Amino acid sequence: NAGVMQNPRHLVRRRGQEARLRCSPMKGHSHVYWYRQLPEEGLKFMVYLQKENIIDESGMPKERFSAEFPKEGPSILRIQQVVRGDSAAYFCASSPPPGQGQRRTMNTEAFFGQGTRLTVV
Amino acid sequence: QKEVEQDPGPLSVPEGAIVSLNCTYSNSAFQYFMWYRQYSRKGPELLMYTYSSGNKEDGRFTAQVDKSSKYISLFIRDSQPSDSATYLCAMSDRGSTLGRLYFGRGTQLTVWP
Repeated sequence: NAGVMQNPRHLVRRRGQEARLRCSPMKGHSHVYWYRQLPEEGLKFMVYLQKENIIDESGMPKERFSAEFPKEGPSILRIQQVVRGDSAAYFCASSPPPGQGQRRTMNTEAFFGQGTRLTVV
Repeated sequence: QKEVEQDPGPLSVPEGAIVSLNCTYSNSAFQYFMWYRQYSRKGPELLMYTYSSGNKEDGRFTAQVDKSSKYISLFIRDSQPSDSATYLCAMSDRGSTLGRLYFGRGTQLTVWP
């Protein structure tokens, strides 16, 4: 069972361009989470999605950032008109719906991908 | 004030030492407390989690939560060079270990042989 796959691993964009980050969850996982890790800072929550639905986007910047998780295909984090301050590592995690998994009474963990390192030049 | 505070270190110890990692927090609504390990250029992986106050042991690792002091700890006994990584505490106020998590900035640990 392959883990959470993120691509590309490294992405370089010039200021003003668009960045598209992809996340394929683990097999059987229908929930996806995006986090951003800035230099010298911890992981910051951005958005929590299930297929075709945004559950919690309280961590998403109001402008330029959007996320989707379509019925088919990977989850996409899209950053329009990138600026130098967007340079960071972006991590995706996936999980089954809360309360499911091997034992329904247990919480399950979210499994993280290896991240996409975005550099804006 | 950040919701989760964690000393970034770095922390350097000899093999076999007992390591103590700590976080403090301000949000009394946090109920689930997690420790993640992150190797360089990799994604975080969950080590263990604790619900509410108390201790939890898993092999060489012990997690402690003191909700009255808003203070959590991770102890590593008989530390090994393979334990060298960044350790992140994380917390949730959503009634599970999933959903929005609040992370500390991580403590970088090096265990030298």
